[in-house]
Order: sequence, then structure tokens, then C-alpha cells
Amino acid sequence: EADIYQTPRYLVIGTGKKITLECSQTMGHDKMYWYQQDPGMELHLIHYSYGVNSTEKGDLSSESTVSRIRTEHFPLTLESARPSHTSQYLCASSATSGRSADTQYFGPGTRLTVL
Amino acid sequence: QKEVEQNSGPLSVPEGAIASLNCTYSDRVSQSFFWYRQYSGKSPELIMSIYSNGDKEDGRFTAQLNKASQYVSLLIRDSQPSDSATYLCAVSNAGGTSYGKLTFGQGTILTVHP
Repeated sequence: EADIYQTPRYLVIGTGKKITLECSQTMGHDKMYWYQQDPGMELHLIHYSYGVNSTEKGDLSSESTVSRIRTEHFPLTLESARPSHTSQYLCASSATSGRSADTQYFGPGTRLTVL
Repeated sequence: QKEVEQNSGPLSVPEGAIASLNCTYSDRVSQSFFWYRQYSGKSPELIMSIYSNGDKEDGRFTAQLNKASQYVSLLIRDSQPSDSATYLCAVSNAGGTSYGKLTFGQGTILTVHP
């Protein structure tokens, strides 16, 4: 059972607002990831982190930014939300060592709607 | 060619039948392979992981891996309506800058009808 949490689960917000999507895990995983997924479409990696103070951009260009100040916490921020940011945002984490090192566990997701 | 490609769906099978989901990958150095299930509006959940050639069974699910053919499959025996979901194949690269990242296929929609 994966212990990874995302808040809020649903967010409806107006254009131009700054938002932060929270992601926390209690498994002690060093690696964390943010994916973006539109309904019925593929998962796209937008950010990842291999540890504290380590962040990289993913395969899909995103206007969002991330930070990793604590191992368990990997928030995603949009400085100025736009309707094109409407999507589902999924956070995941994985261990660094061991046979299950590559297994990613997903949080429940945040469904963002920008009006 | 996409890095991870799944058989196009949607796939529809009757209740009790065997559902067969297929996935091919292009990177020969891939080492870890995963099947996730995603219900509509939910996040992906891990069903199976497989690392060695051959079969791996877990309840009604069997994953099959053939690294020479760069092919991984998932069989669901005695399919139930609750198995209706999108199934995602994911592949992990061996190392370098891609270490730990998963490449996902586009997903196959499975419908099990009573």
C-alpha cells in the first residue's frame, strides 16, 4: 500500500491566480515525479526529483515549477494559471535502491480546472 | 516509432474469458517492466512488475516478458467486469540520465461485458 498524498483533490480557480499543488509521501522515497494527464490521454512526465535540492524538467514542457526542500514533500507551483493548464496532475514516488527501485507509486491526483 | 507501444484498443472480452494485453518497447537496455491499471478519473495502480524473461503469475494476472523480442504482455484470466479499465505498460531504462524514469505506453482500454 502506497502512502502518497495529494492536496487538493479538486481545484477550480480563475485565470491569473497562483496555485500550489501539494504532494507528500511517507515511504522515505528519494525519487519523486509529477505527471500531467488529460482525460483519455497519455501520461506525460513534467518534473522529477532524485533527492533534496534536485529537480529536473520532464519530457513535456510545462510552465509549472517544483521544489524539493524535504524528502517527503514535492510541491508544484503555477505562478499564473491559465485555462490551458486545466488537467489532472499526478504525483508519484519510487525508492532508490532494492529490487523495487523503479516501481512508481501514484498519489490520488489533483484535478485542476482554470476558468 | 514510439518507445513503448501497446496494442490498440479498445479490447472487449466476455466475462470469464482471458484478456490479452500486449506491449513492445524499443530500448534494448530496458530492465524493468510494469503493468498499471487505471480506472476512469483515478490514478494508476500497480498490478505487476517483471524483470526476468518468462512468466510471472499473481492470482488471475500473468505477466510475460521476452527481452529478445522486446515484448511484454499481461494476461487476465477469468475476466470480471471490475477489470474494465485502461491498462498501462511502463518500461524503466537501465541507467544514465534516464535512471528511475518510466516510459509509459498510450494505454489499452479493456471492457469486460457480462
